[in-house]
Amino acid sequence: AQSVTQLDSHVSVSEGTPVLLRCNYSSSYSPSLFWYVQHPNKGLQLLLKYTSAATLVKGINGFEAEFKKSETSFHLTKPSAHMSDAAEYFCVVAGAGSYQLTFGKGTKLSVIP
Amino acid sequence: GAVVSQHPSWVICKSGTSVKIECRSLDFQATTMFWYRQFPKQSLMLMATSNEGSKATYEQGVEKDKFLINHASLTLSTLTVTSAHPEDSSFYICSAREGGLALTDTQYFGPGTRLTVL
Repeated sequence: AQSVTQLDSHVSVSEGTPVLLRCNYSSSYSPSLFWYVQHPNKGLQLLLKYTSAATLVKGINGFEAEFKKSETSFHLTKPSAHMSDAAEYFCVVAGAGSYQLTFGKGTKLSVIP
Repeated sequence: GAVVSQHPSWVICKSGTSVKIECRSLDFQATTMFWYRQFPKQSLMLMATSNEGSKATYEQGVEKDKFLINHASLTLSTLTVTSAHPEDSSFYICSAREGGLALTDTQYFGPGTRLTVL
């Protein structure tokens, strides 16, 4: 069984300041972990993916995430927020050998001009 | 690469009618497609998993006779909401997973279909 907990339902940052979206996971296997972004009334876009290679994963649009097994965390960061980053972000886990995804409840990121 | 489209992007229908939503993988072959439902301000809920040429596997609590899924080819899956009612109004999102040598657990998502049942 696997689960994902996104620790914040809403995060608000000023434009140009760092972004931190927190995610903890639970999995019986070595997990694959993903971050997806969803803009209003749009589908999900893959930001980045971890699959047991490098623990620091770089994604699109300047986002990156670090897999920390000891903390069972996979937090998403970006050094400087842009207005276009305002969206809903989902942390997702897939168990080893399984293609079924388990979604976190999402974190809404607001960017203040 | 890895683009998934959905059609229509939004649909309004009367209660009791049926609605078909198409999901296509545009530049890859998808051996497996997934259908999700998303309620306002909530996360995605997996409804069913379909493999090309076989019957879909439905998640617990999802009525297979109400939500008919057909995955007739490696690039097309359809979801038909039969005898739709207002409580079926939702955002339906499909995703597709590459097959063959590119088999991966990465899913590529369509843009979603907004269904409103009056």
